[in-house]
Amino acid sequence: QLVLTQSPSASASLGASVTLTCTLSSGHSSYTIAWHQQQPEKGPRYLMKLNSDGSHSKGDGIPDRFSGSNSGAERYLTISSLQSEDEADYYCQTWGTGIQVFGGGTKLTVL
Amino acid sequence: EVQLLESGGGLVQPGGSLRLSCAASGFTFSNYAMSWVRQAPGKGLEWVSAISGSGGSTYYADSVKGRFTISRDNSKNTLYLQMNSLRAEDTALYYCAKDSSPYSSSLHYFDYWGQGTLVTVSS
Repeated sequence: QLVLTQSPSASASLGASVTLTCTLSSGHSSYTIAWHQQQPEKGPRYLMKLNSDGSHSKGDGIPDRFSGSNSGAERYLTISSLQSEDEADYYCQTWGTGIQVFGGGTKLTVL
Repeated sequence: EVQLLESGGGLVQPGGSLRLSCAASGFTFSNYAMSWVRQAPGKGLEWVSAISGSGGSTYYADSVKGRFTISRDNSKNTLYLQMNSLRAEDTALYYCAKDSSPYSSSLHYFDYWGQGTLVTVSS
C-alpha cells in the first residue's frame, strides 16, 4: 500500500535552517513526490516536485531558500534562512494508478 | 494567471446532498485532469476524487465511492462534485486542485489549488 509518513511537528529558530522528512512506504522508494505548503487559514500552495534521483523543480515564485533532496525512500524539504511566514503546515504528496496520497503533514513552528 | 474558485458549500443535514463547483481560468482547462481534496477541521489533506481532462476517466477514494460523483464541463471551464448521502464525517473544507501534466491519462502532482469551500454536515 502506498503510504507517506511525516513527523507531526518541527521547530527551528528565525534565520536558521530546518529539514522536513517524508518517507515512502516499502516497495515505493522510486516514487516522485511533491511538497505543498499551507499557511494558516489559507489554501495549500505547491512548492516543488522531487524525483527519486534528488532532482527537483519548483513552483512559480518559490524562493531559493526552499530546496529538496532524497535518500532512499526518504524525501526531504529543506528551508534555509527561516522567516516568520514559513510557519505553516507542510504536506508531501505522491500518486499511483488512479489514486493520490498525502502524508499526514508536518506543522513547522518558527521560534 | 491560474485561478480556481470553489463554490457551493454550506450546511446540510445528514443524508442530504450538495453540489460543489470549481470555476477555472488562466489555463486550457480541458487539457488537465482535476481533483477534489478535502480537509476536515484541524486535520490533514485527504484526496477525494479525480477526473481526466476529457472527463472519460474518474477516480474516487474508498471513503466516498458510491456517494460522490465528479464531473466537468469543459465548455464552461468548470469542475463539479455531486455529494449524496452526506455524513458528519464529510464535514470539511473542499479544495479543487489542478493536475500538473497536460494531455495525460494518468494522475500527477497538483501545481495549483483553490481557496476551498466549506461543507458542514449536521442536524
